[in-house]
Amino acid sequence: DAKTTQPNSMESNEEEPVHLPCNHSTISGTDYIHWYRQLPSQGPEYVIHGLTSNVNNRMASLAIAEDRKSSTLILHRATLRDAAVYYCILRGSGGSNYKLTFGKGTLLTVNP
Amino acid sequence: KAGVTQTPRYLIKTRGQQVTLSCSPISGHRSVSWYQQTPGQGLQFLFEYFSETQRNKGNFPGRFSGRQFSNSRSEMNVSTLELGDSALYLCASSLGQAVYTEAFFGQGTRLTVV
Repeated sequence: DAKTTQPNSMESNEEEPVHLPCNHSTISGTDYIHWYRQLPSQGPEYVIHGLTSNVNNRMASLAIAEDRKSSTLILHRATLRDAAVYYCILRGSGGSNYKLTFGKGTLLTVNP
Repeated sequence: KAGVTQTPRYLIKTRGQQVTLSCSPISGHRSVSWYQQTPGQGLQFLFEYFSETQRNKGNFPGRFSGRQFSNSRSEMNVSTLELGDSALYLCASSLGQAVYTEAFFGQGTRLTVV
């Protein structure tokens, strides 16, 4: 399975931007970068995904390095509801790389 | 639209028994995946079904099995329950199998084995 590395935890203040990093040095050319988050006592929730170009949606932005070996999930203005575990996942076609493989993720704490 | 529905939400079983969990995907979704979440191991992939066929399987013993029906609803069965099977079991549905497809998760079934 393609591997990702994320910090165990990060802390932010409410209304400030948050940059959550993810390293994926063994990414292959066809792997998509997916981000999910899991709020307390809930199932994971899709946040965003991308392949090569930076992506924006109503929840967040995804900045992908030019060599694709790292990416950053950007929450533009953190709220208390954004406190969750954030998972960076590589998803490729074929074989075991297709499934969503969750690592430990980054526990984001948002301070009021 | 209705989300992914998992039943029951909570379950207590005795060691050695078997259990069946149910997952109703979002209408129109044909792919259903199952995950086990424990504090020690995190979220682990169990298996995935698409159009009633198992397409992917994780590293779990044969006591864990599943199936998908023609209406895309899925069931997961665990036989000869062990204490270590206590976990949150999550189901996710997707429209298809493309790697850029978004997965929608249910709230999960909390299984406690005593």
